[in-house]
Amino acid sequence: DGGITQSPKYLFRKEGQNVTLSCEQNLNHDAMYWYRQDPGQGLRLIYYSQIVNDFQKGDIAEGYSVSREKKESFPLTVTSAQKNPTAFYLCASSIRQGGLSTNEKLFFGSGTQLSVL
Amino acid sequence: QKEVEQNSGPLSVPEGAIASLNCTYSDRGSQSFFWYRQYSGKSPELIMFIYSNGDKEDGRFTAQLNKASQYVSLLIRDSQPSDSATYLCAVTHAGGTSYGKLTFGQGTILTVHP
Repeated sequence: DGGITQSPKYLFRKEGQNVTLSCEQNLNHDAMYWYRQDPGQGLRLIYYSQIVNDFQKGDIAEGYSVSREKKESFPLTVTSAQKNPTAFYLCASSIRQGGLSTNEKLFFGSGTQLSVL
Repeated sequence: QKEVEQNSGPLSVPEGAIASLNCTYSDRGSQSFFWYRQYSGKSPELIMFIYSNGDKEDGRFTAQLNKASQYVSLLIRDSQPSDSATYLCAVTHAGGTSYGKLTFGQGTILTVHP
């Protein structure tokens, strides 16, 4: 079945540690996104990528880094510079970004809950 | 001012009633509008999208868009306890470097009680 796979489901970070969240999709979508969700809040965009080897900062990119070496994969690293990393992280994809409206529809992975030890 | 604003609720309605969820947005040039449903601890799932002024119906759901007043709403008819969830409104930007990017509201918690 086509979809978006995020792993791990739960992740714990020690102070000063970098951690990487995995996101893989087999939908053949060009665009991929990382969102952060805090309790009682909506989704805030961290990074997005419209094509392999290219990505742009979203609204809250500080303390995060990404790579897009393959169309299927868009891993997110939460660095030690991110002082408040506890949140629910959602990866999403769409056919492409900025095209006709139908191409803007996002498909989400099941999320990773990151907590600080 | 938040770009996309929703009443966080909780909104409580009895089973069988109509639930009305509202969303306002600040970018007058926004083009596409989406409603996502999110159960606790789960990822959002798309339930409705609308691009043109007026109403769009899909089963028990109706999305309403008024671009002049910059609001979009979601009506859920014959509400069921299984509709209890957080409903997220999302809007795409119309131009510039944010073209096509989705901005989400903070979500409205809906509770349907038997």
